[in-house]
Amino acid sequence: SQTIHQWPATLVQPVGSPLSLECTVEGTSNPNLYWYRQAAGRGLQLLFYSVGIGQISSEVPQNLSASRPQDRQFILSSKKLLLSDSGFYLCAWSERYSSIGANVLTFGAGSRLTVL
Amino acid sequence: AQKVTQAQTEISVVEKEDVTLDCVYETRDTTYYLFWYKQPPSGELVFLIRRNSFDEQNEISGRYSWNFQKSTSSFNFTITASQVVDSAVYFCALSDSKAAGNKLTFGGGTRVLVKP
Repeated sequence: SQTIHQWPATLVQPVGSPLSLECTVEGTSNPNLYWYRQAAGRGLQLLFYSVGIGQISSEVPQNLSASRPQDRQFILSSKKLLLSDSGFYLCAWSERYSSIGANVLTFGAGSRLTVL
Repeated sequence: AQKVTQAQTEISVVEKEDVTLDCVYETRDTTYYLFWYKQPPSGELVFLIRRNSFDEQNEISGRYSWNFQKSTSSFNFTITASQVVDSAVYFCALSDSKAAGNKLTFGGGTRVLVKP
């Protein structure tokens, strides 16, 4: 069966420090991968998605970047964190080869980032 | 552009009461998919249901039921005889057949609090 791992679970970082959140998927190949952010008390905003190694699409301009160095690895990074980067970050995966739009996203447990 | 609106930000009920969560969506596509996810206090999103735009049949799964009304662009979710374990944030989401990478657009979520 497929599993998705996301770490660290909790992170407290000072403003201006770098960030690296990692997500890996097991039990599947060629998945679509996603990073979503959930600000406190708000809905989910898609940050990045990837349909293959090295292929990253950004949904909103921001202080963050994403990379996909391996098929089942997705990394969210920042060189210098801002206060506004605080939030709950969720990684997700879906099958790539099925009816477009129909794919169910499976989410990781999330990483809670607090920038002070 | 796609949009999902969950007008109710928070609903509080007493155990065994029924609760209905509203979801209204906007899309220009004729083929699209609607989803509901549950986010318990642990934070991980759990998939509940997927419905395609050609299937307006209502669905029941245990105490959960969904009412899809294409004419009013609504996909409402009812929990019958609510239990404390139903306390969570519930998200409605939309994707369409042209969504590259099978991206989901989420509503702002409805927090359900079930009191014993």
